[in-house]
Amino acid sequence: QSALTQPASVSGSPGQSITISCTGTSSDVGGYNYVSWYQQHPGKAPKLMIYDVSKRPSGVSNRFSGSKSGNTASLTISGLQAEDEADYYCSSYTSSSTWVFGGGTKLTVL
Amino acid sequence: QVQLQESGPGLVKPSETLSLTCTVSGGSVSSGSYYWSWIRQPPGKGLEWIGYIYYSGSTNYNPSLKSRVTISVDTSKNQFSLKLSSVTAADTAVYYCARVTQDSSGYYMGMDVWGQGTTVTVSS
Repeated sequence: QSALTQPASVSGSPGQSITISCTGTSSDVGGYNYVSWYQQHPGKAPKLMIYDVSKRPSGVSNRFSGSKSGNTASLTISGLQAEDEADYYCSSYTSSSTWVFGGGTKLTVL
Repeated sequence: QVQLQESGPGLVKPSETLSLTCTVSGGSVSSGSYYWSWIRQPPGKGLEWIGYIYYSGSTNYNPSLKSRVTISVDTSKNQFSLKLSSVTAADTAVYYCARVTQDSSGYYMGMDVWGQGTTVTVSS
């Protein structure tokens, strides 16, 4: 299985909105509504931010939102804050009943 | 509050078998609502899903690692384990255990609980 494709880096100023894309195939992202997004700060374990394309776990800020169109999923962070600076990974369930991650995107808050 | 804790040797020699255990506290590995996963992250690189196990013992693995990976569960100890054979330097990584929750309708809810990770270095 091939890793999902994410941009290596994105950046934005405080208060702005940014979007991170995650492109797969019809065998993963496009075929299931099981896309999730994880935030990882340096030296820390990943944290679930979005699951099932657009659902937020309890305690996650509503500034984080997810969507999907075809084989591409997206994570949008609105009202960017300094604490949002981190690496973000998408993940999808696959037709082989496995999971696959994206390569990760480094978010820089300017 | 469910917590996961990885444990095992931090240094493994090339060609040997890497063995790690994840201890589940505050919850039961025998619950039918969860899949128990292993994920790794090489230094400076992204996350790689290794595989999962269900309490019944059913497993599934990353095709690229399938020939070398075994995941097992010990319900009496509330633990699940990872074995990776014939390791090389490329297997040097932080290894995480994580829980995938499945709701009552059968929908997966992402990897919602993670261990803190344990660093494994493959070197002679």
